[in-house]
Amino acid sequence: AQSVAQPEDQVNVAEGNPLTVKCTYSVSGNPYLFWYVQYPNRGLQFLLKYITGDNLVKGSYGFEAEFNKSQTSFHLKKPSALVSDSALYFCAVRELYSSASKIIFGSGTRLSIRP
Amino acid sequence: EAGVVQSPRYKIIEKKQPVAFWCNPISGHNTLYWYLQNLGQGPELLIRYENEEAVDDSQLPKDRFSAERLKGVDSTLKIQPAELGDSAVYLCASARDRTYNEQFFGPGTRLTVL
Repeated sequence: AQSVAQPEDQVNVAEGNPLTVKCTYSVSGNPYLFWYVQYPNRGLQFLLKYITGDNLVKGSYGFEAEFNKSQTSFHLKKPSALVSDSALYFCAVRELYSSASKIIFGSGTRLSIRP
Repeated sequence: EAGVVQSPRYKIIEKKQPVAFWCNPISGHNTLYWYLQNLGQGPELLIRYENEEAVDDSQLPKDRFSAERLKGVDSTLKIQPAELGDSAVYLCASARDRTYNEQFFGPGTRLTVL
């Protein structure tokens, strides 16, 4: 069965510092991985995805994520945090090439950037 | 292009009452999803449509929940009767088709059952 874990409920970072939001996954085959962001009272917004190829994926708003197959991780990163990055972040996984599988979302990590 | 539209944004009802949520996906998007999001949790899929066909409704509590997408465009999700535990945010999302997993989410409907 597919699963995704976000081990941190909250991450606190000072503005200008690098940030990392952690995600680990479990699928039977090859993973299709996503990051979404949710601002208050708004729906989720797509940030980036990994299918195949380069392990470092670049996305919206200066975010990037690194796929690590041996550690089954897909951590979200940004070199320099902004206060406006404060939001709820969701990692999601789907099994690639499986038409029957569906996207499973993690429980979310609240990112708080202090000025 | 316009995003996914959902209405109402907020709904407060008493338990045992019926309630309906409406979603209009992005034009041209064949795949439509309904999710339930509890406070502090990630979205959980309720039902997925490919055009007008419900292709994955295994997580939909069919004793009280129903959904339709009659013309393969907009969709309605209904709860009858509502229970206290149904209080949550109901999200609608759409995608161009099954292979495009970048889903575009609406703002959601926050349901409170008293």
